[in-house]
Amino acid sequence: QSALTQPPSASGSPGQSVTISCTGTSSDVGGENYVSWYQQLPGKVPKLMIYEVNKRPSGVPDRFSGSKSGNTASLTVSGLQGEDEADYYCSSYAGSNSVVFGGGTKLTVL
Amino acid sequence: QVLLQESGPGLVKPSETLSLTCTVSGYSISRGYYWGWIRQPPGKGLEWIGSMYHSGSTYYNPSLKSRVTISVDTSKNQLSLKLRSVTAADTAVYYCARDIVLFGVRFDPWGQGILVTVSS
Repeated sequence: QSALTQPPSASGSPGQSVTISCTGTSSDVGGENYVSWYQQLPGKVPKLMIYEVNKRPSGVPDRFSGSKSGNTASLTVSGLQGEDEADYYCSSYAGSNSVVFGGGTKLTVL
Repeated sequence: QVLLQESGPGLVKPSETLSLTCTVSGYSISRGYYWGWIRQPPGKGLEWIGSMYHSGSTYYNPSLKSRVTISVDTSKNQLSLKLRSVTAADTAVYYCARDIVLFGVRFDPWGQGILVTVSS
């Protein structure tokens, strides 16, 4: 299986919205609704932000939302804040009893 | 509160076996959930290594399957990882995490991670 495709970088100003894409195939992102997003602050442990495409774990601000269309999933961060500056990784069930991650996107708050 | 803590050698020689342990506190592994290992080479992205249920059901990344063994010791509430015949490409931070729904890619929480360097 190949890693999911994410843009290396994304940016936005405080208060703006930014969307990060995650492109796969019909065997992974486009298959089951098992797509998650993880936030990794500099030097920290990845944190689950979105699961099953658009569900938020308890404690995650509703500024974070997820969606999917075909083979592409998206994470949208609304009302950008400085604390949102981090690396973001998508992940998906890849079929054949396997899991795949994206290459990661570095989000910069300008 | 479920907490996970990885432990093991920080340096492994090429061709040898990397062995790590993940100690779980705040939840008994034998009660349920899958438990997984994920790694991250320095400056790079995440890679799923595999996941295991306490009963023994185990699933591995096809690219690592021939070299990996994940096991569980319910008496110690620990998860272990063995990766054989390591090379420099296996240098990474290794994380253990609770795998809430098998293949649901819902890893939460994660351990703090342990950096393992493969070098002679």
